[in-house]
Amino acid sequence: SQQGEEDPQALSIQEGENATMNCSYKTSINNLQWYRQNSGRGLVHLILIRSNEREKHSGRLRVTLDTSKKSSSLLITASRAADTASYFCATVDLSGNTPLVFGKGTRLSVIA
Amino acid sequence: EAGVTQFPSHSVIEKGQTVTLRCDPISGHDNLYWYRRVMGKEIKFLLHFVKESKQDESGMPNNRFLAERTGGTYSTLKVQPAELEDSGVYFCASSQEVPANTGELFFGEGSRLTVL
Repeated sequence: SQQGEEDPQALSIQEGENATMNCSYKTSINNLQWYRQNSGRGLVHLILIRSNEREKHSGRLRVTLDTSKKSSSLLITASRAADTASYFCATVDLSGNTPLVFGKGTRLSVIA
Repeated sequence: EAGVTQFPSHSVIEKGQTVTLRCDPISGHDNLYWYRRVMGKEIKFLLHFVKESKQDESGMPNNRFLAERTGGTYSTLKVQPAELEDSGVYFCASSQEVPANTGELFFGEGSRLTVL
């Protein structure tokens, strides 16, 4: 069954603006990961946040995790046209014995 | 270092035919995964190999799908006979550690299957 669900489904912003994507999930997790997929390409791992972490940064990416609300957000600051892609959250359940479960993704378009 | 490679990149077949997709993982990665994305839907897990053994095949939709990983190297996913609903993009991924540990999966670019 689907675990992660991203919101919004699609987002269009101007270059230089910040983009925020949200992910909600249903069961307790071991960790949550964000991936990016450029059109026609494979998924690329962006960042992993563990259940005992609340915030993580990597370059222009900031990820937050709220386990009480079972939600995460991905913030991309100062967006660029090259950030145009689909973004997926994926979760590993608390047991750690399950595979990554992905959502439907958010399609981000950054307009130059 | 070569990444995960998949072949073919696109396959168009008629309903009832057979298709075999191949995945070459990153050398040294014991874990190999197959996922599928049907247009507009989530990326759905199909199965997980550890070396040549099937660790988890709970996502395989039915017995028309057969995955193998002979010798623990490359893997094949055969669909026989193909149905219309099998259309989608099939992704292969590999990793040294399982997602609960260091987490990162390395994905191939996918094999797009179109069943007419």
